[in-house]
Parts: sequence; C-alpha cells; structure tokens
Amino acid sequence: KAGVTQTPRYLIKTRGQQVTLSCSPISGHRSVSWYQQTPGQGLQFLFEYFSETQRNKGNFPGRFSGRQFSNSRSEMNVSTLELGDSALYLCASSFESTGGTGELFFGEGSRLTVL
Amino acid sequence: AQSVTQPDIHITVSEGASLELRCNYSYGATPYLFWYVQSPGQGLQLLLKYFSGDTLVQGIKGFEAEFKRSQSSFNLRKPSVHWSDAAEYFCAVVARSNDYKLSFGAGTTVTVRA
Repeated sequence: KAGVTQTPRYLIKTRGQQVTLSCSPISGHRSVSWYQQTPGQGLQFLFEYFSETQRNKGNFPGRFSGRQFSNSRSEMNVSTLELGDSALYLCASSFESTGGTGELFFGEGSRLTVL
Repeated sequence: AQSVTQPDIHITVSEGASLELRCNYSYGATPYLFWYVQSPGQGLQLLLKYFSGDTLVQGIKGFEAEFKRSQSSFNLRKPSVHWSDAAEYFCAVVARSNDYKLSFGAGTTVTVRA
C-alpha cells in the first residue's frame, strides 16, 4: 500500500508570495492533518480535514488555509509568505479522525524556504 | 496550561545500553498517549500508543512505554539500543480538553555511540 505522498518535497519562495502544498493520503484514509515543524516551535498542529470538512484548526493566522477533495487528497495554502513560514510541513493521514484516535501515517514533508 | 513536556533535549547512549526517554503531560484527565520517532529527513512513525488498560505498552522496534497516572508520565524505554535507533523521539497526546488535537512535545534527540 502506498504511503502518504507530499509534493513538492522542497521549494523556495520569496516574501509576499504564496504557496500551495499537496498531500495524497493512504488509500482509504479519510482524515488528513497538517503540521508545521520548525527548530524553534517544534511540531505545531495546523488543521485536520475529515471527509472534506475541516474538523479542527490550530492557532495559525488566516494566511494558512487548507482544503480536502472528494478523493481525500488535501492541499494547504500559505499566502503572503513571511520569513518565519520557513519550515517543514508535514501531512498525516488516518482512517479515523484524531478524535477517534486513529493512527496517523506521516509523509516525508515539504520543506519550504522563504527568502 | 495544557502541555506535553519532554525534559531531555538530547540524550547520548552507547550501543547496547538501555534507553529511557521521559514524557510528562498536563491535562485535566488522562489523555490518549503516543510516542513517535522521526529519522533524519523522514516523517514521523508511530512507535506505540496508550488508550487504557495495561499500563505497560509494547511497541515496534523493541520499544515499550509505561503509563503512570500518579506521575502524569508516559516514559519510553528500550533495553538495548541499536545504532539505527538514533533519531528524534516525540511524545504526543490527544485530549478531549484540547479538542482532540494531536499535540506534540518538543522532542528528544537520541545519539547512539559505538
């Protein structure tokens, strides 16, 4: 069974630009969660989608948004990029939502560098 | 405040020696507890989880963890480490009081010396 696939793996943007990251979950999984990982803040929860509905949201500004499609694939978008948005963005999928404590399977991440 | 604390930022251990990583949580009720491992350049992999029942939980790769309610702790152990265990380890919780978001500790980096 294929794992969680994130694209692109690496990207460089400049301040003010916007970026879209994609996540393809494991086949059959309905929940997709996104996390930001930085050396200073660690792993921080961005949002969770389950069957195309946002189930939960972390404490990030509105510049961070996401969506989930009918095939469970998810995208997250960051608009008006700031230097502090440089991070590894991790996507995780599970059959159930985290409220159901389904095991999360993580992708390898998309490393964003903002110059 | 609700939190997950991993007191040790970095641990160095000799190959073949035992390993214990500490995790404490601060939530009103016992949350669901997890340990994840992240190898360099990789995503996270679930090692084990505790929901209820037996307080000693067995996981993959020879790891185990013990839940102690009185100490609000969920420490991870391995009797004999291998060089491949060098990685970063994260304790995480899911709690009703935190809207069932998966919240991670800061992580502990484990270095294994020959």
